[in-house]
Amino acid sequence: SYVLTQPPSVSVAPGQTASLTCGGDNIRSKSVHWYQQKPGQAPLLVVYNDNDRPSGIPERFSGSNSGNTATLAISRVEAGDEADYYCQVWVTSSDQGVFGGGTKLTVL
Amino acid sequence: QVQLVESGGGVVQPGTSLRLSCAASGLKIRNYGMHWVRQAPGKGLEWVALIWYNGDNKFYADSVKGRFTISRDNSENTLYLQMSSLRVEDTAVYYCARDQSAFDIWGQGTMVTVSS
Repeated sequence: SYVLTQPPSVSVAPGQTASLTCGGDNIRSKSVHWYQQKPGQAPLLVVYNDNDRPSGIPERFSGSNSGNTATLAISRVEAGDEADYYCQVWVTSSDQGVFGGGTKLTVL
Repeated sequence: QVQLVESGGGVVQPGTSLRLSCAASGLKIRNYGMHWVRQAPGKGLEWVALIWYNGDNKFYADSVKGRFTISRDNSENTLYLQMSSLRVEDTAVYYCARDQSAFDIWGQGTMVTVSS
């Protein structure tokens, strides 16, 4: 089965850029989506199809996908960005969805 | 206001069944595939199942295949998840979500606890 690997935690100072990675075999061949989840809330889509943003999501959120790693970059990090972030792909060979294990972003 | 509202969660014993519902308002789900995603307490997200917009195709995670059945009633604008042979490890918050390649609209979730 296809596995997405995310670091459990990332810490960043306010105003800096956070880079959250999502590793998977030849992930560049898949469309990667990113979700933000704050405690007690449902997930929120922040980036879809590698690097597109839903309406209402700040331009500070951007994505990239190359080789075996997709990355969610959050520039000018704010305290309100502190949350768990999950990457997700659809695996067409098995017709199943897959989520990464999630990364907890801490704003110092 | 576009909204998905799950219901039907509760506390059940292992081996029993439960049906979850996901009612949509502000959107017609008949045009969209719909997913169920779950999250065990303190754990990450796990995809559970997908049903195509017309119900013709259904896909399941290996962990629930043969025990869970996803269905929909487009006339009632509602998605369902029939869960049988429930196990302790099925304990989770269950979310429904709209498919737009990504999961772009989520409900608030309903808690299912499987415990003896």
